[in-house]
Amino acid sequence: GENVEQHPSTLSVQEGDSAVIKCTYSDSASNYFPWYKQELGKGPQLIIDIRSNVGEKKDQRIAVTLNKTAKHFSLHITETQPEDSAVYFCAASIRPGYALNFGKGTSLLVTP
Amino acid sequence: SAVISQKPSRDICQRGTSLTIQCQVDSQVTMMFWYRQQPGQSLTLIATANQGSEATYESGFVIDKFPISRPNLTFSTLTVSNMSPEDSSIYLCSVEGVEETQYFGPGTRLLVL
Repeated sequence: GENVEQHPSTLSVQEGDSAVIKCTYSDSASNYFPWYKQELGKGPQLIIDIRSNVGEKKDQRIAVTLNKTAKHFSLHITETQPEDSAVYFCAASIRPGYALNFGKGTSLLVTP
Repeated sequence: SAVISQKPSRDICQRGTSLTIQCQVDSQVTMMFWYRQQPGQSLTLIATANQGSEATYESGFVIDKFPISRPNLTFSTLTVSNMSPEDSSIYLCSVEGVEETQYFGPGTRLLVL
């Protein structure tokens, strides 16, 4: 089955700096790669996703890149703010709407 | 995005008992999923629940322990049976929303003593 690895497990940045979280996956059949943000006491919230026919996608301060040849994808957050502090999960599935395989999560702390 | 609610939001249960968790969506959805998130851990899929068919369970999860109902396109239940402290987790339902993205409910926080 699919195995998703996520690094780093914790990340601390100063407000205004950029944060990068990286994931690799094992199943070449995976075609859908969402990112979720989970705040304490809440369910995961979808923040951005990318599909296999796209190499990069951007939404304001958040961007995701995908390299299908190398089987890795990354989340980039620019101009970080304290409210970006949360646990971020990457995931992969064979197609949108199907069950997701999650990475272990990255705890991001943005300090003022 | 779909609005998903779960009941109860949290519960403390005694070992050996069972708890049924409800998931309600504000629109009709074909696919619903149940995940478990153990303390400080990632999310693990328990089963996929489609209306009108038996739930499909992932390796390591069995119907006797986690029976699931899906009576209509907006509702599902997950029962955690014969609970032990190892079942203490957050249980999350998710649904396929617009553009086939997956949205999660707020979760049910379960503590088994």
